[in-house]
Amino acid sequence: AQSVTQLGSHVSVSEGALVLLRCNYSSSVPPYLFWYVQYPNQGLQLLLKYTSAATLVKGINGFEAEFKKSETSFHLTKPSAHMSDAAEYFCAVSLDPYPSGGSYIPTFGRGTSLIVHP
Amino acid sequence: DTEVTQTPKHLVMGMTNKKSLKCEQHMGHRAMYWYKQKAKKPPELMFVYSYEKLSINESVPSRFSPECPNSSLLNLHLHALQPEDSALYLCASSRSITGGYNEQFFGPGTRLTVL
Repeated sequence: AQSVTQLGSHVSVSEGALVLLRCNYSSSVPPYLFWYVQYPNQGLQLLLKYTSAATLVKGINGFEAEFKKSETSFHLTKPSAHMSDAAEYFCAVSLDPYPSGGSYIPTFGRGTSLIVHP
Repeated sequence: DTEVTQTPKHLVMGMTNKKSLKCEQHMGHRAMYWYKQKAKKPPELMFVYSYEKLSINESVPSRFSPECPNSSLLNLHLHALQPEDSALYLCASSRSITGGYNEQFFGPGTRLTVL
């Protein structure tokens, strides 16, 4: 079964500091990996995705993530945090065909709340 | 148009009411999803439609009844809900469920309160 683990339910940074949100997946074969962001009272929005084309993936709003097979990780980073980055971030994995026959349904991590201090 | 729309934005209902949530997309996606999300939690999958047919039902109570009238529309009919059903209900769509690389597009959600 596919799963992702997001270390740290809350991450707090100062404006201008590096943002690092951690995501580890469990899989014996390369998965498809996604990072979504959810701002308060809104739906989820795709930040970036890994589909095996390149290990370093650049996304929207200055975010990027690196796929590391040896560490089974897909951590999200941004060089300089902005106040507007404060939100909930979800890592998701899509790997195994769903039990009900050949379907790929993503599994979400528990989420990490990013807090940005002025 | 890369937008998924949901109506209403907010809904308050009593435990004996019948109401419906509506979701619409015009991206030509053939997979549509309903999720339930509690505060500070990840979305929980409820239903998945593929090519307008119910593909996955995550053992959701029968007081929730999904419907997919056509490839662009998805409804969730609500009846005799419980206070614990209060949550944000998210609709999402994707090109299909046969490719794991397909990202999901989410609507803004309907904030449901059951009194």
